[in-house]
Amino acid sequence: AQKVTQAQTEISVVEKEDVTLDCVYETRDTTYYLFWYKQPPSGELVFLIRRNSFDEQNEISGRYSWNFQKSTSSFNFTITASQVVDSAVYFCAQGNAGNMLTFGGGTRLMVKP
Amino acid sequence: NAGVMQNPRHLVRRRGQEARLRCSPMKGHSHVYWYRQLPEEGLKFMVYLQKENIIDESGMPKERFSAEFPKEGPSILRIQQVVRGDSAAYFCASSPPGRPAFFGQGTRLTVV
Repeated sequence: AQKVTQAQTEISVVEKEDVTLDCVYETRDTTYYLFWYKQPPSGELVFLIRRNSFDEQNEISGRYSWNFQKSTSSFNFTITASQVVDSAVYFCAQGNAGNMLTFGGGTRLMVKP
Repeated sequence: NAGVMQNPRHLVRRRGQEARLRCSPMKGHSHVYWYRQLPEEGLKFMVYLQKENIIDESGMPKERFSAEFPKEGPSILRIQQVVRGDSAAYFCASSPPGRPAFFGQGTRLTVV
């Protein structure tokens, strides 16, 4: 069975601070994908990134970066110089082939001006 | 290229009525997924469909829920005889084969 744990239910930071959202997963699959999605207050789910289990290279996209460590089954997400517009619920998810995903419980990020 | 379109955005039904939720996938996407976001329970996979086929329905409740993705037209998630516990946000996602899924804006179902 697959399981994704986001231990931080809520994080509050002040604008321009860096913040890291933790994600730990459990799976018996040798090939799998990891995802992050953003759910802003408007409610939609916005795709941020997908990594496959064979690619442990860290990725950076603007102020966003992701750290995948297979040894600790973690796929953490860092926002550098946070902005108020980053306020949202962030979901980590894991899936095998396809998009039948197991989601974590989400982390609510509040960025205060 | 329009995104995944779900309608209605908000739906109110009385207990015992039927709810029909529609999802039009992105152009070129042949795979559709339905997820449910219940308060306090997070996002849960319900069903995975390709045109005219249900590929995996392991997350669907055994009774009252059904889904289809016909050859023509949108995918439909149907909930018969709704109960208060069905109140949730229902998300549809679509993808081409082997690619990440993009989600629609969701339908928020309220059962009164």
